[in-house]
Amino acid sequence: NAGVTQTPKFQVLKTGQSMTLQCAQDMNHEYMSWYRQDPGMGLRLIHYSVGAGITDQGEVPNGYNVSRSTTEDFPLRLLSAAPSQTSVYFCASRPGDPSGANVLTFGAGSRLTVL
Amino acid sequence: SQQGEEDPQALSIQEGENATMNCSYKTSINNLQWYRQNSGRGLVHLILIRSNEREKHSGRLRVTLDTSKKSSSLLITASRAADTASYFCATLNDYKLSFGAGTTVTVRA
Repeated sequence: NAGVTQTPKFQVLKTGQSMTLQCAQDMNHEYMSWYRQDPGMGLRLIHYSVGAGITDQGEVPNGYNVSRSTTEDFPLRLLSAAPSQTSVYFCASRPGDPSGANVLTFGAGSRLTVL
Repeated sequence: SQQGEEDPQALSIQEGENATMNCSYKTSINNLQWYRQNSGRGLVHLILIRSNEREKHSGRLRVTLDTSKKSSSLLITASRAADTASYFCATLNDYKLSFGAGTTVTVRA
C-alpha cells in the first residue's frame, strides 16, 4: 500500500516550458487535491476533484490545469511555466468520508524550479 | 487567502519541555486539524477537533478549540528531538481544508 505517490520529486524548467506533475493514490480515495507550499505562505489549494470526471478550482488555479479520468490519478499540468510557479507541490487525497472529517493523506512533494 | 494563522512562527525548546502553539482563524468551521511536516517531507495528520468539541487528547498532544474566539492551541508535552518539525493548523469549511503558514518547532537535546 504505497499511499499517495508523486513524480517527479525534483524538476527544473525554463520559463515558457510545460510539464505535468503526476499524482497517484492506491487507497480508492474519491477526493484528490493539489496544493503549493511557499515560504511563509503555508499551503494554498490549486485544484481539487471530488471524483472521476469532476474537478474544480481552488484558491490559486491560474496557470494550472487538472483532469481526473480515473479514481487513482490526478495530474497537474503547468501550461507555460513562470518563475512565480517555483514552489513545492503537494498532492493530497481522502476518502468520501461520511463522517465529514476530511483528513488528508499527503504525498512527499515535488519541488519545481522555474528559471 | 489563509484561513488559519499560527503563532509563534518559530519556537525553540529544550528536550523534555512543553511546546505550545496557537492558531487563529477567520470564518466558521466544521472542524480544525493539526498536521506535522518534517523537513523535506509531506504533511502528516496529527489530530482533529470538531467545532462542537472544546478539548481533545492524543498521546502527548492536547488540542483546545475556542469557537467564540476563533482560536485553537496545540500542546506537545515532554518534547523529544523527534518532535522537531513544522506544525500547521487547517480549518475545514465547506469540505475544503485551508492551512496556515505554520509554526517551526526545534527541540534541543
